[in-house]
Amino acid sequence: KNEVEQSPQNLTAQEGEFITINCSYSVGISALHWLQQHPGGGIVSLFMLSSGKKKHGRLIATINIQEKHSSLHITASHPRDSAVYICAGGSNYQLIWGAGTKLIIKP
Amino acid sequence: DAGVIQSPRHEVTEMGQEVTLRCKPISGHNSLFWYRQTMMRGLELLIYFNNNVPIDDSGMPEDRFSAKMPNASFSTLKIQPSEPRDSAVYFCASSWPGQGLTEAFFGQGTRLTVV
Repeated sequence: KNEVEQSPQNLTAQEGEFITINCSYSVGISALHWLQQHPGGGIVSLFMLSSGKKKHGRLIATINIQEKHSSLHITASHPRDSAVYICAGGSNYQLIWGAGTKLIIKP
Repeated sequence: DAGVIQSPRHEVTEMGQEVTLRCKPISGHNSLFWYRQTMMRGLELLIYFNNNVPIDDSGMPEDRFSAKMPNASFSTLKIQPSEPRDSAVYFCASSWPGQGLTEAFFGQGTRLTVV
């Protein structure tokens, strides 16, 4: 069992749908990253959070430290949101990476 | 700031050749990371520098890999000799000073193909 697990592995949705990607971890961490990777592109840090909720535009990230669970939500999804979304948790410089969720938003 | 800058973006080389990947971190960041991404293994941390000093190189696959950070604004990852199994995307990331985990900013990556 991986220490950081994401679900689903793949997600296809229609433009406008509300998207949720989940991340569960079994190790103690002090913070969790959500990152986005476009095909053939670099990695962009979306959020780093250690408690509660953060919002940036149409993206919302939440974390429940007690339940060792985080979610990334996308409201009013758009084809340009199509990417791989990765969660990674850690307590210092070492990050434990999830396998990623491949999201495809169809117009 | 232009972000973390890596060069080259793409590199194709023959087996046995030396390959040097370069990274310019964001100004003011004192932590620098080299990662390797493959389909099979995902993202792996190769080496971590703090204040230009290598802190953890346990992820460096073998002696063929070496990394340097001669100053706060430049780092290199060298593979000599290169092998086909080194083909991957290599990312450099930097982060600012802080206790514990701080947000990392990634470069665009270098796609290395060894034939």
